Amino acid sequence: QKEVEQNSGPLSVPEGAIASLNCTYSDRGSQSFFWYRQYSGKSPELIMSIYSNGDKEDGRFTAQLNKASQYVSLLIRDSQPSDSATYLCAVNDYKLSFGAGTTVTVRA
Amino acid sequence: DTGVSQNPRHKITKRGQNVTFRCDPISEHNRLYWYRQTLGQGPEFLTYFQNEAQLEKSRLLSDRFSAERPKGSFSTLEIQRTEQGDSAMYLCASSLDGRYNEQFFGPGTRLTVL
Repeated sequence: QKEVEQNSGPLSVPEGAIASLNCTYSDRGSQSFFWYRQYSGKSPELIMSIYSNGDKEDGRFTAQLNKASQYVSLLIRDSQPSDSATYLCAVNDYKLSFGAGTTVTVRA
Repeated sequence: DTGVSQNPRHKITKRGQNVTFRCDPISEHNRLYWYRQTLGQGPEFLTYFQNEAQLEKSRLLSDRFSAERPKGSFSTLEIQRTEQGDSAMYLCASSLDGRYNEQFFGPGTRLTVL
C-alpha cells in the first residue's frame, strides 16, 4: 500500500464549477498535510496547509481533514482555466510524502 | 526574489559523468530538503539538513548520490557516474524548524543523461 494515494485523474470540470480532489494516507500518526499545485514543467507551489480536523478556507480553496478516516480533500470553487494543473497531496513527517497527483483541466 | 533558488536549471550530461547541483534556501530557513521527481509521479524524498547537519540520508538512491551543506546555508547534490535512470527533475525545498514546517520548493534542476 502506498503511503499517500490520490484519486486518479484526469479530472475535467467546466469553468465556474467545483473541482473535488481526494487523498488518503496510511500513517495514522501524521499531523500536517499540504496541497501543492504544479503547472507543467514547473516546481510544486504550496497552496494549502491543514493541521486540524475540519475545514480550512483560503479564497476559492477549501481543504478538509478527517484524521479518523485518514482522509484529506481539496475543493476548488468557481474553477478558472488558470487552475488547470496537477494537484499534489503531501503528508508531512519531517519529510514530505507525496501522492502521484491529480491533473485538473478546467474547460472554458 | 527571496525564494529558493537552484542552479543550473537544466543539465545535459553523458552517461558516466559526474554532476553537481546547487540550492540556495530562503535565507531564514534552517532546514533544507532534496527531492527527485520523475514524469507522472510526485516528488520523492532524498535527504535533508538541519543547519549543516544531514539528519536523514538513507533515502539517497545509491552511494553515487551525496549531498552537503557545509556552512548551513547553500547545499549541493552530487551524482557520480550518472546513469540514464538518473534523468529526472531534482527539487530543493526549505523550511523553518517546527512541527508544521511548510516546505517551499525551488524551480528545480532538470537532468538529462544521454
